[in-house]
Amino acid sequence: GQNIDQPTEMTATEGAIVQINCTYQTSGFNGLFWYQQHAGEAPTFLSYNVLDGLEEKGRFSSFLSRSKGYSYLLLKELQMKDSASYLCAVRDKGNGGSQGNLIFGKGTKLSVKP
Amino acid sequence: EPEVTQTPSHQVTQMGQEVILRCVPISNHLYFYWYRQILGQKVEFLVSFYNNEISEKSEIFDDQFSVERPDGSNFTLKIRSTKLEDSAMYFCATRDSGREKLFFGSGTQLSVL
Repeated sequence: GQNIDQPTEMTATEGAIVQINCTYQTSGFNGLFWYQQHAGEAPTFLSYNVLDGLEEKGRFSSFLSRSKGYSYLLLKELQMKDSASYLCAVRDKGNGGSQGNLIFGKGTKLSVKP
Repeated sequence: EPEVTQTPSHQVTQMGQEVILRCVPISNHLYFYWYRQILGQKVEFLVSFYNNEISEKSEIFDDQFSVERPDGSNFTLKIRSTKLEDSAMYFCATRDSGREKLFFGSGTQLSVL
């Protein structure tokens, strides 16, 4: 089966650091993605991890441990505009030549307060 | 940055009616997807499409759903006989060959009455 768990909501203060955790149990694994989604809008790509370790991109970093089925998204120097839902998604193993499809978690709604 | 374009942005229909949701992928992208998101719930995979055929489909994508690329540019999702529970935001997404990043369109909000 496919199961992706992340906290439902988090609150943080402007300028602070926040870590959003994600654990997964999936029938196959072909990469882990983080997406940002503002209310009523489309998800936008933040990061991709397929090997263990930390990927850093500006204020955002994402970590993966495949053996633990665990990832986190780290947001530094929080800004008000970072208030959004953060979606953890695992790409499963595809059939034949397909790379697989994204299975999304329910998302973590982050509220950044002044 | 290039964009995936979806039309219409909102669609209201009566239960039992057919709807067609349209997507214009990013030029030279070869992999196409439909996802849906019921209000307050997670984004769910419906179907993937490559080389003019379905690659994979989920349990949601039953016989009422179909996809096609009628003219080499548009990518459409048809729901043959809509049900109340089909009310959701439908997202088209596309990806280039060899690239991981999935680009999502802004979505079509479907309301079935």
